[in-house]
Amino acid sequence: QKEVEQNSGPLSVPEGAIASLNCTYSDRGSQSFFWYRQYSGKSPELIMFIYSNGDKEDGRFTAQLNKASQYVSLLIRDSQPSDSATYLCAVNPSNRDDKIIFGKGTRLHILP
Amino acid sequence: GAVVSQHPSWVICKSGTSVKIECRSLDFQATTMFWYRQFPKQSLMLMATSNEGSKATYEQGVEKDKFLINHASLTLSTLTVTSAHPEDSSFYICSAPRTGPHEQYFGPGTRLTVT
Repeated sequence: QKEVEQNSGPLSVPEGAIASLNCTYSDRGSQSFFWYRQYSGKSPELIMFIYSNGDKEDGRFTAQLNKASQYVSLLIRDSQPSDSATYLCAVNPSNRDDKIIFGKGTRLHILP
Repeated sequence: GAVVSQHPSWVICKSGTSVKIECRSLDFQATTMFWYRQFPKQSLMLMATSNEGSKATYEQGVEKDKFLINHASLTLSTLTVTSAHPEDSSFYICSAPRTGPHEQYFGPGTRLTVT
């Protein structure tokens, strides 16, 4: 499988601060990029997706994509204890199907 | 919104037996579904693509004779773990895209424990 790399963490961030999560991918032809949140024992839930270079904002979340550097990031502003979870970066490697390849995830811990 | 269900949510079976897991799209038709496996503190590993009316496509390293996939209708895919062993114990999750990879719905997962 094409690789998606993430730092496994844990990443500890004080409540109210900005959490920054990073991801790199190996397939330069990848078309779309996703950030999922997964709580222990649950299925992943989509936070954001991004297709184009640059930033995409949705509430407290901002996804950033740099295709030249094959780099995707997620910023969480005003971090809340409920944001504590594992964040999975995922990639759709091509536009031929809807397959999604996941990274190993970064465990985020928001400190109250 | 669209919902994908899985059944059972958890199952315990003895080594050597087979277990079937169902994945249903409840309010949309899914010509494609995906099966993932997740070991503790690991990521979701794509096992196979389930294609309605045709053979499943397996990812490299996944034994197709051990993990049988059937996608007999537009709303149901099944994964059968044959001759299960303790190392098959894992969290199995299915997903179904509706309009594209950005609109992909995940089932709640099935926790399989093989004793």
